[in-house]
Amino acid sequence: NAGVMQNPRHLVRRRGQEARLRCSPMKGHSHVYWYRQLPEEGLKFMVYLQKENIIDESGMPKERFSAEFPKEGPSILRIQQVVRGDSAAYFCASSPRDRGYEQYFGPGTRLTVT
Amino acid sequence: AQSVTQLDSQVPVFEEAPVELRCNYSSSVSVYLFWYVQYPNQGLQLLLKYLSGSTLVESINGFEAEFNKSQTSFHLRKPSVHISDTAEYFCAVIGQGTSGSRLTFGEGTQLTVNP
Repeated sequence: NAGVMQNPRHLVRRRGQEARLRCSPMKGHSHVYWYRQLPEEGLKFMVYLQKENIIDESGMPKERFSAEFPKEGPSILRIQQVVRGDSAAYFCASSPRDRGYEQYFGPGTRLTVT
Repeated sequence: AQSVTQLDSQVPVFEEAPVELRCNYSSSVSVYLFWYVQYPNQGLQLLLKYLSGSTLVESINGFEAEFNKSQTSFHLRKPSVHISDTAEYFCAVIGQGTSGSRLTFGEGTQLTVNP
């Protein structure tokens, strides 16, 4: 039973490029959450999605960041025109539909902006 | 809204010594509480959780945490640590009664076990 999968594990982008981070939830999970961990800090909530729906994006920066969870395929976190301050570890979690408190985390994508 | 405070950013201890990692939270609603562990360059693993019932919860590797509602605390303890317990530990809360919602994390406590 595969856990939450994220790819790539490491991503290097130059300033101004786009970053695309992918997350495949655990089998049977229909809710996906994205969190960001800046250096020396705890995890901060970014966005909560269900299939084809953004439920809560109150933690997303207003510009350059977007997320989707299509009917088929993984959830995507997209960062346009990356800046050095976007360098962080981005974690995806998934949960069953009726137990949103039971979140299982993926290994994370470590984004480095040069 | 919730907030979580982990009172110690770094805790160095010697192997086989007892350890306590402190966590206090603030919330206007009842919460579920969690401890997660993060080993270097890895994701978060759930260590233990409090949902209801007995206020003392235990993990399979010897950690325990006690929910204290009056003090709004959920401190993590282990009577005898091993080198392999070296990791970052995060306390987290989520509001009850929500079918899917955000976890609010503390800033983390780096536990370093020295020989």
